[in-house]
Amino acid sequence: EVQLVESGGGLVQPGGSLRLSCAASGFTFSSYAMHWVRQAPGKGLEYVSAISSNGGSTYYANSVKGRFTISRDNSKNTLYLQMGSLRAEDMAVYYCARDLVDTAMVPLNAFDIWGQGTMVTVSS
Amino acid sequence: EIVLTQSPATLSLSPGERATLSCRASQSVSSYLAWYQQKPGQAPRLLIYDASNRATGIPARFSGSGSGTDFTLTISSLEPEDFAVYYCQQRSNWSGVTFGQGTRLEIK
Repeated sequence: EVQLVESGGGLVQPGGSLRLSCAASGFTFSSYAMHWVRQAPGKGLEYVSAISSNGGSTYYANSVKGRFTISRDNSKNTLYLQMGSLRAEDMAVYYCARDLVDTAMVPLNAFDIWGQGTMVTVSS
Repeated sequence: EIVLTQSPATLSLSPGERATLSCRASQSVSSYLAWYQQKPGQAPRLLIYDASNRATGIPARFSGSGSGTDFTLTISSLEPEDFAVYYCQQRSNWSGVTFGQGTRLEIK
């Protein structure tokens, strides 16, 4: 079964740090670009970060640039999001998601597999 | 940044009725638009990609149309399980992903 499972969420004080993990199974993780998307309580979806299949290219939303770092370990089939200088507005459910690709592995501009999400609470 | 505006914010319909949801982009996204369904406490589920292609396992009652700046998600005959929040999403390039604010489809 194709699956993504996030972990690492929890309660952290403002200014603190947290590392999220996303464990992939059931597919060739190293062939896919991966993404992080978050959702504040009662709000819509916000795109956070992306990383290419080999880790050579990354992208960050302006709201997290300089504070968050995305990385991956293809030998462990795991995606990471290192979050620092956390603020109240970072409080959200964080989802990892897989790039949808065609049979030639060309990206199709959507996300076909999502994890169940992990909650990050920023509060003193 | 390309802004996606969804309308209406809330749509109240009955099972068996037809639902039409709109997504408008602030500039052309060609056909690089996707639709997702999200139910409470669940992750989003991909319904439509590249404006009109149904994702794997999505029932035929879901269809997408449009190109450029105006897009529509249509649910031909609502089933009880279709009442949820729907988001559109664009990726005009690898780094430029944005989501609409969502349309809540509720039971009338």
